[in-house]
Parts: sequence; structure tokens; C-alpha cells
Amino acid sequence: GENVEQHPSTLSVQEGDSAVIKCTYSDSASNYFPWYKQELGKRPQLIIDIRSNVGEKKDQRIAVTLNKTAKHFSLHITETQPEDSAVYFCAPVGGSYIPTFGRGTSLIVHP
Amino acid sequence: KAGVTQTPRYLIKTRGQQVTLSCSPISGHRSVSWYQQTPGQGLQFLFEYFSETQRNKGNFPGRFSGRQFSNSRSEMNVSTLELGDSALYLCASSLVPGGDFGNTIYFGEGSWLTVV
Repeated sequence: GENVEQHPSTLSVQEGDSAVIKCTYSDSASNYFPWYKQELGKRPQLIIDIRSNVGEKKDQRIAVTLNKTAKHFSLHITETQPEDSAVYFCAPVGGSYIPTFGRGTSLIVHP
Repeated sequence: KAGVTQTPRYLIKTRGQQVTLSCSPISGHRSVSWYQQTPGQGLQFLFEYFSETQRNKGNFPGRFSGRQFSNSRSEMNVSTLELGDSALYLCASSLVPGGDFGNTIYFGEGSWLTVV
């Protein structure tokens, strides 16, 4: 099965700073790379995703970059705001077609 | 359009009992999957159903089971509850099975299970 590692587990930044979360996976057949955001007490929601034939995708203040050779992809959040505080999960999809979730990164944005 | 609905939202059970959780997917979605979420462990895949058939199963003991009905609604059951089964159980639905671009997975609010 897919082994997924997410770093860091906790990230504390000042409002306006950038935040980067990295996800490493093991299944070379992985071809879909989503990121989910889960606010406290709420459901996880997809915030951005990328397919293996694309190296980078941007949506306003968030972006995802993919390095298939090194088997990792990263979530980038620029100009962070307090409402970005949440737990972020990567969930690459490999040959099983089932998302394998990382353990999550707790992002804290201080006003 | 209504989102994924899970019932009950909160429940407390005693060790050894069994529990049934229910999930109604988004209208038109035929795939339902279940996840267990515990602090520090992320989301662990339980099983996935499509057209009333279990397509995939995660690495959980046989005490965890599920089913899907013809209207795509799904239930999961945990028998002989253990303290370690205390968790948030999340249901997710999508148009078709498998995570992929264009086949977004939508989660319900979850069912909080506490085993005492």
C-alpha cells in the first residue's frame, strides 16, 4: 500500500507570512494529488488538487507543486490569514484508486 | 443541493455493544466510502461501496462492516465495541469510485463515537 508522510505536523506563522507543507508518498503509480482542509469541528474539504501530468497549479493564495521523480508534493499558502488556521491533509491516490491520507499538519496563523 | 448527511452525530456506547452509523450521499453520487479519524492518525480508510457492492476494504478487523442500499445510502456497523474504537467516523461520497480529478470526494460532518 501507499506510505504517506506529511511534514511538518505543526506549523505556526504570523499573519501575512507564507506556509509550506510537504507530502511524501511511496506508490510510483500515484497520479492524483489532492489537499484537504479541516477546520476545527468541521468536515474535511478539498481545497486544491493536481494530476501527475501537471507540475504546478495555483488558485489565488494557494498552490500545489509536484515532483514525481522525488515522489513528493507540497501545499503553498501565501499571505496567510487567521481563517487559514486548520488542519491540512494530503491524500495521494495510487494504484488502488483509494486516497491515502497523511496524518495532517496543524497550521496556526497568529494575527 | 444537500451535502453528505450522517446520523447520529454523537453517540456513547459501552464496551461490547454494537453500533450502526448511517450515511446519505449527495444526490446523484453512487460511491460511498468510510473513514475513521483519530487524533494524530489522520483519516484511515475503512471501506468503499459502489452499486451496493464493496469495492475496497481497509486494514480493519472483521468487527467493522458496512453495506450500501439501492438508493446509495450506506450504513456501517461495528460489533463488540472496544475502547480504541472511539473516533470520528466520516462518510464521503463521490460520483464514481476512486479519488481522481473531476471526481471530488465530499465528506459528511461525521459521527462522533465514544466507547466507555
